[in-house]
Amino acid sequence: QSVLTQPPSVSAAPGQKVTISCSESSSNIGNNYVSWYQQFPGTAPKLLIYANNKRPSGIPDRFSGSKSGTSATLVITGLQTGDEADYYCGTWDNSLSASFGGGTKLTVL
Amino acid sequence: QLQLHESGPGLVKPSETLSLTCTVSGGSISTSNIYWAWIRQPPGKGLEWIGSIYYDGSTYYNPSLKSRVIIVVDTSKHQFSLRLSSVTAADTAAYYCARDDPSYYYGTQVGDAFDIWGQGTMVTVSS
Repeated sequence: QSVLTQPPSVSAAPGQKVTISCSESSSNIGNNYVSWYQQFPGTAPKLLIYANNKRPSGIPDRFSGSKSGTSATLVITGLQTGDEADYYCGTWDNSLSASFGGGTKLTVL
Repeated sequence: QLQLHESGPGLVKPSETLSLTCTVSGGSISTSNIYWAWIRQPPGKGLEWIGSIYYDGSTYYNPSLKSRVIIVVDTSKHQFSLRLSSVTAADTAAYYCARDDPSYYYGTQVGDAFDIWGQGTMVTVSS
């Protein structure tokens, strides 16, 4: 199963831009789509990005995703205090299973 | 609007079987090209996919849990269920059910989007 690596934490000031990386040593990200999820404490995760860079209806365009090689990136622009949450990347594995990264805690200073 | 709701015991004894049910409302569980997933999250830790099921009963499981997991679907009740056997304290977690919308490229699955989630239910394994 894929091992997706995310930084444990990132921080930035309101109004700024933050990037969260998701990397993998094998080829699963390179061959498959990446999704991103936002989770506030005590609540269920919410889909932010799917198929590398697509946003579900209702997700602001401040959130964007990209992929290059075996790494993916979530970018949040115009940071708001309400964006403070945990963020998880996910991908599909060539061994027919889904996996998630360890999560990144975003702090808005 | 599609909603998912988990139900089941909040406390399970070690070595016993954890059983949870997810009820789908506001939409059909028999939707083409949609799977239904179980995902868990131990306290203070990250997400772990357990497995997914199609309305025809076909399943995919996390290889690390496969020997202990069974997911079944009951389309007449609009429900799918998780059974995890021989539980230990390591299985203590919030368990979520979710709609699993896969992406395909020339017929090969290349991604998942867990786009609708239940609120989750906490299960503690303890004697």
